[in-house]
Amino acid sequence: GQQVMQIPQYQHVQEGEDFTTYCNSSTTLSNIQWYKQRPGGHPVFLIQLVKSGEVKKQKRLTFQFGEAKKNSSLHITATQTTDVGTYFCAGPASGGSNYKLTFGKGTLLTVNP
Amino acid sequence: SAVISQKPSRDICQRGTSLTIQCQVDSQVTMMFWYRQQPGQSLTLIATANQGSEATYESGFVIDKFPISRPNLTFSTLTVSNMSPEDSSIYLCSVEVGNEKLFFGSGTQLSVL
Repeated sequence: GQQVMQIPQYQHVQEGEDFTTYCNSSTTLSNIQWYKQRPGGHPVFLIQLVKSGEVKKQKRLTFQFGEAKKNSSLHITATQTTDVGTYFCAGPASGGSNYKLTFGKGTLLTVNP
Repeated sequence: SAVISQKPSRDICQRGTSLTIQCQVDSQVTMMFWYRQQPGQSLTLIATANQGSEATYESGFVIDKFPISRPNLTFSTLTVSNMSPEDSSIYLCSVEVGNEKLFFGSGTQLSVL
């Protein structure tokens, strides 16, 4: 079945450093979504990428969707303590509804102030 | 957007008992999804609940263990039956909004002794 892999599993940075998490799917995706889950919280939608090669920015966050629509990345510039949490990528399950998502294992980001 | 109320927020249960989790949405939605998040892990889809029809279960999940009700377009319940310690997880309901994103409830943290 479809697999969505994310690396790294953990990342610890000093406040002000940059951070990147990478997501790879075993199959081509119609879209990819990113979610953030704060410690003790629930996943919160960040963004959806649909087009091949698409790049979207949200303040210090930059999201990319690969040309082959099988990989994606999230880059945070100059991390802050408020960026702490687990970042998940997710894509529609192969052959299923667009809304049955397969989630990656997530990257836990911790920031040292 | 959607506001989802999920309860209970947490519970500690004895082995062999059952727990019913409720999910109330502030607007009518076609599909509701139930996810499980084991400690430190990613989200795994349990089933999709449509109003007026039986829920669709993912591989590894069965109706006898996780019966779901969907009596109307704003409400759903998930029951975890005959619990064992392996069922200790966070259970999350979610809905899709705007053909784009998932909104999640705040989750139910279940511990089985």
